[in-house]
Amino acid sequence: GNSVTQMEGPVTLSEEAFLTINCTYTATGYPSLFWYVQYPGEGLQLLLKATKADDKGSNKGFEATYRKETTSFHLEKGSVQVSDSAVYFCALKGGSYIPTFGRGTSLIVHP
Amino acid sequence: SAVISQKPSRDICQRGTSLTIQCQVDSQVTMMFWYRQQPGQSLTLIATANQGSEATYESGFVIDKFPISRPNLTFSTLTVSNMSPEDSSIYLCSVEIPRTEGTEAFFGQGTRLTVV
Repeated sequence: GNSVTQMEGPVTLSEEAFLTINCTYTATGYPSLFWYVQYPGEGLQLLLKATKADDKGSNKGFEATYRKETTSFHLEKGSVQVSDSAVYFCALKGGSYIPTFGRGTSLIVHP
Repeated sequence: SAVISQKPSRDICQRGTSLTIQCQVDSQVTMMFWYRQQPGQSLTLIATANQGSEATYESGFVIDKFPISRPNLTFSTLTVSNMSPEDSSIYLCSVEIPRTEGTEAFFGQGTRLTVV
């Protein structure tokens, strides 16, 4: 079946540091890949997505590239802000309308 | 897009009691989904709620424990019955909205349940 593995948190960074949150997946066929963000006290929001190999999703300074050869979709941001503190979920959809989520990675950014 | 209002946002309940969580969507949707998010865990799908039919439950979840109503295309409720501390979790409702490529998931803000 489908599965998503993402790095455990929390990830703790200083403001303006570079961020990488690793995500790898297992799926049959060609899934669509997603990153969701959950700010404190809120539901999940779609951050970015990529629907085919080599696509790059981007939003709010975050980027992730769909790498089929390494089955990865790592999330990156060049300079994080305190307001980026949240939990980030990697997810995929493969042949179903129901996403498969990773466990989430908590990001804490200090001033 | 879709705006989902979920309530209550949090509650503390006594074991053995039941809590009903409401989810209201600002547009008509065919399917609504209920998830459980336990600390440090992934989101786990509890069930899919279709208007006019019984909900479809995932493995490990049963209707007696998590009865669901879906009276119309914009509203659903999830009840957590006969609660125990193991039910302490965040419960989320979600909808899938058609997009040019596939669908996009939208979530309510979640209900943080603590059972004491």
